[in-house]
Amino acid sequence: QQQVKQSPQSLIVQKGGIPIINCAYENTAFDYFPWYQQFPGKGPALLIAIRPDVSEKKEGRFTISFNKSAKQFSLHIMDSQPGDSATYFCAASKPGTYKYIFGTGTRLKVLA
Amino acid sequence: GAGVSQSPRYKVAKRGQDVALRCDPISGHVSLFWYQQALGQGPEFLTYFQNEAQLDKSGLPSDRFFAERPEGSVSTLKIQRTQQEDSAVYLCASSRDRNQPQHFGDGTRLSIL
Repeated sequence: QQQVKQSPQSLIVQKGGIPIINCAYENTAFDYFPWYQQFPGKGPALLIAIRPDVSEKKEGRFTISFNKSAKQFSLHIMDSQPGDSATYFCAASKPGTYKYIFGTGTRLKVLA
Repeated sequence: GAGVSQSPRYKVAKRGQDVALRCDPISGHVSLFWYQQALGQGPEFLTYFQNEAQLDKSGLPSDRFFAERPEGSVSTLKIQRTQQEDSAVYLCASSRDRNQPQHFGDGTRLSIL
């Protein structure tokens, strides 16, 4: 049972563009939503995370938008660079738990 | 070390062999997690340790999978009588405690021939 649905599967943008990656969840008990960036041959690295009490969070060029009523959240990458080319995973977890439920990933390619 | 360290980075084994994968977490991190990542998929939870106690092993796919963390630091994931479907990247993560962000190692890519 896939509890976190991520789209698109892959994405190509020009340098300077704003790629948007979307995730939808089913379980309303989820209360922590991190985003991870993974380069080939490397482990996932935490980018940014959000809790449902805020609708938006920014860290540098990365922004999470959160829509609690729609049970959706998205990652925006401002002024994207070729170095941002990687696979991005959203995840979710329930209060007081440690199990992250990951989406299936989005492979982003930023063209120079 | 500064990050989570996993070894070996690559492991090739014949079907039926036993393998052992090592994880050295970030110093001071009491929580340790193992995940399995199939090709083109997100990581899937296998098991969780709080110090030396294995508090959750609900994600281990079969009784051929066994994990330990005897002194509350280094952990080993062992897979007995390996099968081809065990081929995946095995990721280890650690955190200061169970509710803090998890930091991942670079994984061990396991290939079963």
